[in-house]
Amino acid sequence: GENVEQHPSTLSVQEGDSAVIKCTYSDSASNYFPWYKQELGKRPQLIIDIRSNVGEKKDQRIAVTLNKTAKHFSLHITETQPEDSAVYFCAAKGYNYGQNFVFGPGTRLSVLP
Amino acid sequence: GAVVSQHPSWVICKSGTSVKIECRSLDFQATTMFWYRQFPKQSLMLMATSNEGSKATYEQGVEKDKFLINHASLTLSTLTVTSAHPEDSSFYICSARGDRSTDTQYFGPGTRLTVL
Repeated sequence: GENVEQHPSTLSVQEGDSAVIKCTYSDSASNYFPWYKQELGKRPQLIIDIRSNVGEKKDQRIAVTLNKTAKHFSLHITETQPEDSAVYFCAAKGYNYGQNFVFGPGTRLSVLP
Repeated sequence: GAVVSQHPSWVICKSGTSVKIECRSLDFQATTMFWYRQFPKQSLMLMATSNEGSKATYEQGVEKDKFLINHASLTLSTLTVTSAHPEDSSFYICSARGDRSTDTQYFGPGTRLTVL
């Protein structure tokens, strides 16, 4: 089955700097890769996603890149702000509709003012 | 759009009692709902997948007789923790997915269960 690893587990950056979180997956058949942001005690919120037929996707300060050959995808946050502080989870999903997400262990991002 | 609600947001119960948690998709029909459990500072652990009108599929190691799931309609799924014990205390989160045209899951706000 699918296995998703995520690094780093914790990340501290200065406000205004960039943050990069990387995930690797094991199943080459996975074709959908969402990123969720979870603030303490709250629900995970989808912030960006990418499909395997695309190499990069960007939404304002957030971007995701996918390297299918190496089986890894990364979240890039530019011009970080204190409100970006949260736990970020990546996930991978296979191409069949019935397949479920496999989540990474999460990265705790702290943006220092 | 794509709002998922969950009720209650928190519950405290005595050991041995049963607790029901509801998950509703408010503005879309959820053909599939998922139930996750999340321990402090840990990732989301999938417990089971429920499709409307059929029996839930439980992940390995999850006791189906202890965690009863019912998905009676396209907008409602319930998780009942039966004979709860302190080790069942956790944050339970549901998510919902629409039709076959989408892979996206939308999460509910979660229910914090504390068993005394």
